[in-house]
Amino acid sequence: DADVTQTPRNRITKTGKRIMLECSQTKGHDRMYWYRQDPGLGLRLIYYSFDVKDINKGEISDGYSVSRQAQAKFSLSLESAIPNQTALYFCATRDSYTGELFFGEGSRLTVL
Amino acid sequence: SQQGEEDPQALSIQEGENATMNCSYKTSINNLQWYRQNSGRGLVHLILIRSNEREKHSGRLRVTLDTSKKSSSLLITASRAADTASYFCATDNNQGGKLIFGQGTELSVKP
Repeated sequence: DADVTQTPRNRITKTGKRIMLECSQTKGHDRMYWYRQDPGLGLRLIYYSFDVKDINKGEISDGYSVSRQAQAKFSLSLESAIPNQTALYFCATRDSYTGELFFGEGSRLTVL
Repeated sequence: SQQGEEDPQALSIQEGENATMNCSYKTSINNLQWYRQNSGRGLVHLILIRSNEREKHSGRLRVTLDTSKKSSSLLITASRAADTASYFCATDNNQGGKLIFGQGTELSVKP
């Protein structure tokens, strides 16, 4: 099994719908991140969390919310999806000692 | 805003040649990391270089860091077709554990 698991892997939805992307990890890391990837723009940080009670906004948090349900689970929600949120979304955990990020395989979201 | 900017955006070479990718950044950093992404897949960590280091090696990878110029380079020696991927630099500027990525270099190694 993968260390960082994202569900769903692919999702097509319509404008205005609420969408949740889920992430779970078996690495035992406290730090978890949500990134968005668009062609030519690299990865941009949406939200990050250092523990269940510590949630922080990243570069592009508008239109998104997150929930850290447990150390192992960090979900990203789009309350009312819009077409420019069409992107590839990545969850990652971070090893506090080495500084290395471990990524999931991504969730491809299409908003029509 | 992006911290790292990578150059070139795309690079096409023949197998056996060396590939060099550059990353420039704007603010002081704790460390700089390089990641690889195969098409549409999750990123994989390659190497981390700390702000007090100037060069680091890992197999066919060589990373340099020049903090005075706020730049880093990734050299892949004796490239292989399997090295075809996108390569990203990411900077940790000690602002709350954030890692900020550049736009990436798309490397194509032709057999």
